[in-house]
Amino acid sequence: DAGITQSPRHKVTETGTPVTLRCHQTENHRYMYWYRQDPGHGLRLIHYSYGVKDTDKGEVSDGYSVSRSKTEDFLLTLESATSSQTSVYFCAISGQSGNEQFFGPGTRLTVL
Amino acid sequence: SQQGEEDPQALSIQEGENATMNCSYKTSINNLQWYRQNSGRGLVHLILIRSNEREKHSGRLRVTLDTSKKSSSLLITASRAADTASYFCATDTSGYSTLTFGKGTMLLVSP
Repeated sequence: DAGITQSPRHKVTETGTPVTLRCHQTENHRYMYWYRQDPGHGLRLIHYSYGVKDTDKGEVSDGYSVSRSKTEDFLLTLESATSSQTSVYFCAISGQSGNEQFFGPGTRLTVL
Repeated sequence: SQQGEEDPQALSIQEGENATMNCSYKTSINNLQWYRQNSGRGLVHLILIRSNEREKHSGRLRVTLDTSKKSSSLLITASRAADTASYFCATDTSGYSTLTFGKGTMLLVSP
């Protein structure tokens, strides 16, 4: 398995609170991605990174921000969590453009 | 917007039978990938087929790609109970390998 971990694995929080999810990789891969998975929607891209400090928005980026200050860590922040952000969040990594992605185990976030 | 759409949404077969899942997409692609997800787990990459390829094999998996019809199929031969999972197609259309996923096919293989 690719060396990719996510923390926390489960989190329950209240509406309006900030939340940060962490993705950590040991593969030295250049590309990192955050997806959310919801019933009936499959996986949707939130943000991605193509290098340290290089990030861009995905399909469902509203309400989320990201940071990547070093190769191995990609942080996803919900500045003020809402119930619509209750979801399972997956991080993925890829070594090269055009190659497959390796996924982390996911973080289940519940916003009450 | 959903780039890939899988068909059928759910498929139930017996062990030993073949399972075929289809994926349609809307725009030009760099490659198309298939992933498997067991319940409550992360996605696992199965196979990648590039836009200039028509067919690819990996073990019991066979993937075809028809760029003129914007469609792909995944065939799992001699299915096993352990193949029970959700299967997703994903299209790579950007220069950064961002993927657009379909909603998936739930495959149930009964012993």
